[in-house]
Amino acid sequence: DQQVKQNSPSLSVQEGRISILNCDYTNSMFDYFLWYKKYPAEGPTFLISISSIKDKNEDGRFTVFLNKSAKHLSLHIVPSQPGDSAVYFCAASGGYGGATNKLIFGTGTLLAVQP
Amino acid sequence: ETGVTQTPRHLVMGMTNKKSLKCEQHLGHNAMYWYKQSAKKPLELMFVYSLEERVENNSVPSRFSPECPNSSHLFLHLHTLQPEDSALYLCASSQLAGGRREQFFGPGTRLTVL
Repeated sequence: DQQVKQNSPSLSVQEGRISILNCDYTNSMFDYFLWYKKYPAEGPTFLISISSIKDKNEDGRFTVFLNKSAKHLSLHIVPSQPGDSAVYFCAASGGYGGATNKLIFGTGTLLAVQP
Repeated sequence: ETGVTQTPRHLVMGMTNKKSLKCEQHLGHNAMYWYKQSAKKPLELMFVYSLEERVENNSVPSRFSPECPNSSHLFLHLHTLQPEDSALYLCASSQLAGGRREQFFGPGTRLTVL
């Protein structure tokens, strides 16, 4: 059973507009969430993270929102640029004990930003 | 070299071959990970090494054998693989403790088993 779900396999947005990528999780023990970006033939690149004690974290054009009651997080990219076209993975951590920083990943959303 | 490097980037092997994947991290981290990424599936955690000790093995078949000789190097030894093992194998590292849980990934090895 997938504990982290990205229900939109793809998203297309016009350059300059806002991109909103969504992620849902089922495990209420998760307490740390991350977004990664992946270009073809490269490994995932860390973008932004948020702890469950916050509901928003911002870094430049990227903002992550966390709604714990809905077990939902979203990544907003404003303004979107053609270079943002990539696969975006949501990941969650926590509730497994130990100190391994274990991450559970979603299946990814392919974002295409049209010029 | 900076970040996390992996070699080789591409590997084609037969089912009877033995090969090894290498990962090196230049970030001073104390934990390293192997992941498998198959088409249309989430990244699957295979192994975790913390301070050079294997702390997690996610029910990975014994034809995959990890080795972590020191905190900067991680290997994945492969033998008698199956075609369904064809995938992108990613290495990552992180710094345990300190509150942050980001893992930093290498570029991956694209493995094809014939």
